[in-house]
Amino acid sequence: DIQMTQSPSSVSASVGDRVTITCRASQDIAGWLAWYQQKPGKAPKLLIYAASTLQSGVPSRFSGSGSGTHFTLTISSLQPEDFATYYCQQADSFPRTFGQGTKLEIK
Amino acid sequence: QVQLVESGGGVVQPGMSLRLSCAASGFTFSDYGMHWVRQAPGKGLEWVAVIRYERNNKYYRDSVKGRFTISRDNSKNTLYLQMNSLRAEDTAVYYCATTDSRFLLEWGQGTLVTVSS
Repeated sequence: DIQMTQSPSSVSASVGDRVTITCRASQDIAGWLAWYQQKPGKAPKLLIYAASTLQSGVPSRFSGSGSGTHFTLTISSLQPEDFATYYCQQADSFPRTFGQGTKLEIK
Repeated sequence: QVQLVESGGGVVQPGMSLRLSCAASGFTFSDYGMHWVRQAPGKGLEWVAVIRYERNNKYYRDSVKGRFTISRDNSKNTLYLQMNSLRAEDTAVYYCATTDSRFLLEWGQGTLVTVSS
């Protein structure tokens, strides 16, 4: 199975800050990576797929980059509604695997 | 708009069975593959199974192989997850989600399965 490792596990930031979350795959997954946002008690929501393609309706302050084994999710200017948990997921092979999550908290 | 509504969760004893359903609307169900993903209380996301749109291709995580069966009825726009020989570690919120074959596009609200004696 491909292991996905996110860092940091949690981060505190303020509204307006720029935040970057990293996801590393245990083997090359090309660009087959997605990022999801999950708020407490809610279902996850697809933000970015194919490493850098913004899902329809997702604000442009979200961006993704990377390929191979190293990927990043960047939020350029945090808004109050962005405080949530973020997960990366590899879509290269089965079983699909997720990172452990990064909790983004208000400072 | 896309709507996915899971049902069938509840409290069951270890070793028992449960069947989850996911009713789909707002899109052409037969054109999409479907996943089940679960989340244990306070934990992260864990992929469970996928069924391709043509129903012939199915994949499972190792820990549920031989116990869980994913299926679909395109005439009813419904996805299923038959769960047998349930264990305490299967306790989770179970989500269904549409897929373009790679990524999980739209998710339901989830249904809670609790396995406890």
